[in-house]
Amino acid sequence: NAGVTQTPKFQVLKTGQSMTLQCAQDMNHNSMYWYRQDPGMGLRLIYYSASEGTTDKGEVPNGYNVSRLNKREFSLRLESAAPSQTSVYFCASSEFPQGGYEQYFGPGTRLTVT
Amino acid sequence: EDKVVQSPLSLVVHEGDTVTLNCSYEVTNFRSLLWYKQEKKAPTFLFMLTSSGIEKKSGRLSSILDKKELSSILNITATQTGDSAIYLCAVMGFGNEKLTFGTGTRLTIIP
Repeated sequence: NAGVTQTPKFQVLKTGQSMTLQCAQDMNHNSMYWYRQDPGMGLRLIYYSASEGTTDKGEVPNGYNVSRLNKREFSLRLESAAPSQTSVYFCASSEFPQGGYEQYFGPGTRLTVT
Repeated sequence: EDKVVQSPLSLVVHEGDTVTLNCSYEVTNFRSLLWYKQEKKAPTFLFMLTSSGIEKKSGRLSSILDKKELSSILNITATQTGDSAIYLCAVMGFGNEKLTFGTGTRLTIIP
């Protein structure tokens, strides 16, 4: 099992450009999450999806959109990137609510917006 | 709003020492508290503590939940250089599918 995979690993964007971060999990998990991690701020939830076809806002959703394409895949889109979106982005998944609450994380995408 | 505070922010010890990391929380209808270890990349799951499971142990790592004090500690005995990492604490409440993370404790083990 690959677990949670993310693409790309690194990306540099110019202000105003758009991009989509891809995430897939092969653990048959119900819930998927997108976080950003900034120095001194810990992990902050951007969006999550408790099941295929549903998405909800987290703590910092502004400037982002998400799509739960199917049970395996959950993508994060930046429509018009801003320097404040420079961060490391992590995707995670869990069995919740049918199973455990622990979340399993992908390797992350380091995004720089200039 | 749920809140998690970890202390200390950073800690430097020598190999072989024992360390205690702290996590205090505020959460509506506490469900669980989780500990993660983050080395260079993704956080990896260590323990989950709940009202029915307030102590967990795995090798040199152990964790205790104090529901009265709304806190948890993570102990690491006989530390090794491979224990160097950021340790994250997170909480979840009933009726809320989301984890709230603290900012972490950066642990550095000197050989």
